[in-house]
Amino acid sequence: QVQLVQSGAEVKKPGASVKVSCKASGYTFTSNYMHWVRQAPGHGLEWMGIINPSGGTTYSSQNFQGRVTMTRDTSTNTFSMEMSSLRFEDTAVYYCGRAGSNHFDNWGQGTLVTVSS
Amino acid sequence: QSALTQPRSVSGSPGQSVTISCTGTSSDVGGYTYVSWYQQHPGKAPKLMIYDVIERPSGVPDRFSGSKSGNTASLTISGLQAEDEADYYCCSYAGSFNWVFGGGTKLTVL
Repeated sequence: QVQLVQSGAEVKKPGASVKVSCKASGYTFTSNYMHWVRQAPGHGLEWMGIINPSGGTTYSSQNFQGRVTMTRDTSTNTFSMEMSSLRFEDTAVYYCGRAGSNHFDNWGQGTLVTVSS
Repeated sequence: QSALTQPRSVSGSPGQSVTISCTGTSSDVGGYTYVSWYQQHPGKAPKLMIYDVIERPSGVPDRFSGSKSGNTASLTISGLQAEDEADYYCCSYAGSFNWVFGGGTKLTVL
């Protein structure tokens, strides 16, 4: 069965960077794009971007362009999302979500990133 | 890209039906048959309930159904059960490798 296992919680200071990973198993790694979505405490879901695991091409929401880098490692079946110049308002749970045709058919368990001085 | 518009909350009694609306524009909901719905219980990851407007993944009860008219999509839950109490989010493809979510709706089963 499809499994997406994310890295553990992080605490970062404003201005720092954070990298969240998502290890995929149970399917052919290169057969599905991977989305990144975040959810601030008490708020809704916000789409961040998507990566093609075959060529590594990425597409990001305008809200995150320039601050978010998405990568994949085909040798370890792992996706990663790095966010730079962290602000207090970036405190959120970050999810990876496997792409179906134009939906999210499987989700990671989420990674809490806390930005605190 | 603005978030899709959902009611903040809806409620219903066990056995009743409720409908959650999701309003966008001709650039997202109205322009594609790629609306999906997600259920999220507190502290949990979202779960896919409906995709491509009307399709139900394997394992999702047929009490859940989706529809769309113009720029508004809807999720209907019939025969409400206590375990349906959760937050529900719609999502639409918005073209050019962009997706947009709704603000979420809290469903309370009375």
